Amino acid sequence: QQQVKQSPQSLIVQKGGISIINCAYENTAFDYFPWYQQFPGKGPALLIAIRPDVSEKREGRFTISFNKSAKQFSLHIMDSQPGDSATYFCAASSTVTGSARQLTFGSGTQLTVLP
Amino acid sequence: NAGVTQTPKFRILKIGQSMTLQCTQDMNHNYMYWYRQDPGMGLKLIYYSVGAGITDKGEVPNGYNVSRSTTEDFPLRLELAAPSQTSVYFCASSYGLRAGANVLTFGAGSRLTVL
Repeated sequence: QQQVKQSPQSLIVQKGGISIINCAYENTAFDYFPWYQQFPGKGPALLIAIRPDVSEKREGRFTISFNKSAKQFSLHIMDSQPGDSATYFCAASSTVTGSARQLTFGSGTQLTVLP
Repeated sequence: NAGVTQTPKFRILKIGQSMTLQCTQDMNHNYMYWYRQDPGMGLKLIYYSVGAGITDKGEVPNGYNVSRSTTEDFPLRLELAAPSQTSVYFCASSYGLRAGANVLTFGAGSRLTVL
């Protein structure tokens, strides 16, 4: 119930192409879906996030698409650049009474953008 | 403003040894977390804290202990190191519980190898 399944594990894209990373979840109590970006040797950092009351959110070249009925969400990186090469994690969370809002992370996607 | 600071960055332990991973944040965040990151497994929550003096177990707490005597510090202790604890450990903190307020700020990580 707490799992977030992420695919693909690795992705190679040409510069200027579109990178697409998919995630699926089971727990219908999840109500916050962030994406984190991690560069080698660094900790993850929030990239973009969405709540289930909207189907799409865009920030620059990064877009989250959300399908509540299918319990799936995806990250699209338009005009991918070599500087986007990193590991991307999807995550999901819900508020549990009396507990911190805990994030459940996907397994990560290593994106390589070729120059 | 340093954010979340972790020490040490690298450590090699022998089986059965003990050590403490240090974590300090200067953002006055109430919520702090310890995650471990294993290849292809994403980030797994070890322990978290909602404030000074309050800690709770996450998904993978066995073999670890934590304490939270101040808002700023959240050390993670390994009492009897085992090879299964070879991993990269990340400390994180967040401001609040509401979606969007619980954006995690991660440290740079501590790479631990148990031989």
